[in-house]
Amino acid sequence: ILNVEQSPQSLHVQEGDSTNFTCSFPSSNFYALHWYRWETAKSPEALFVMTLNGDEKKKGRISATLNTKEGYSYLYIKGSQPEDSATYLCAFLNAGGTSYGKLTFGQGTILTVHP
Amino acid sequence: DGGITQSPKYLFRKEGQNVTLSCEQNLNHDAMYWYRQDPGQGLRLIYYSQIVNDFQKGDIAEGYSVSREKKESFPLTVTSAQKNPTAFYLCATSETGYSNQPQHFGDGTRLSIL
Repeated sequence: ILNVEQSPQSLHVQEGDSTNFTCSFPSSNFYALHWYRWETAKSPEALFVMTLNGDEKKKGRISATLNTKEGYSYLYIKGSQPEDSATYLCAFLNAGGTSYGKLTFGQGTILTVHP
Repeated sequence: DGGITQSPKYLFRKEGQNVTLSCEQNLNHDAMYWYRQDPGQGLRLIYYSQIVNDFQKGDIAEGYSVSREKKESFPLTVTSAQKNPTAFYLCATSETGYSNQPQHFGDGTRLSIL
């Protein structure tokens, strides 16, 4: 089983702060990196799917970057709002596997934005 | 996700009992997945199916079984062989099984032991 690490485990910020967190994954045999947002009492929602080294994706105030050579992805939130409070999950697919779509998830970063 | 229905929301299992968790989708997606979440851990893949009448074991398949007789349905049975079934179970789908496509999730079923 592959090791996908997310840091920090939890984060508390004030409304209006910008923040970022990290997903680390094996740098060999990279195929894809997914980011999901999981709000309390809801189901996880896809944010980004990243496949190329140097990829940058943006959705509103949230953006993500990808470095496949060193094995990390950053998720940035600009001007955090209370509604951004959620668990942010990353998931990695290794090209060395034999199956499509078989993701390995990190344990998540829990973000709390205080008004 | 409105297109994926998991039922029941809460389920209780007695010792030695098999229970089945339902997952139905109306998104016309080919691929379906079952994940388990335990406190402090990431989602772990139990079983997945890329197409009707085909499924593969994930990382923690022992004590579980699935079927995929219809495109819309991917039920998960937690058998008595699963010694620690208490967890939150999520069903997911993707349009196909390719990794560059996002997965869509249901609302989950929480299973507890009586």
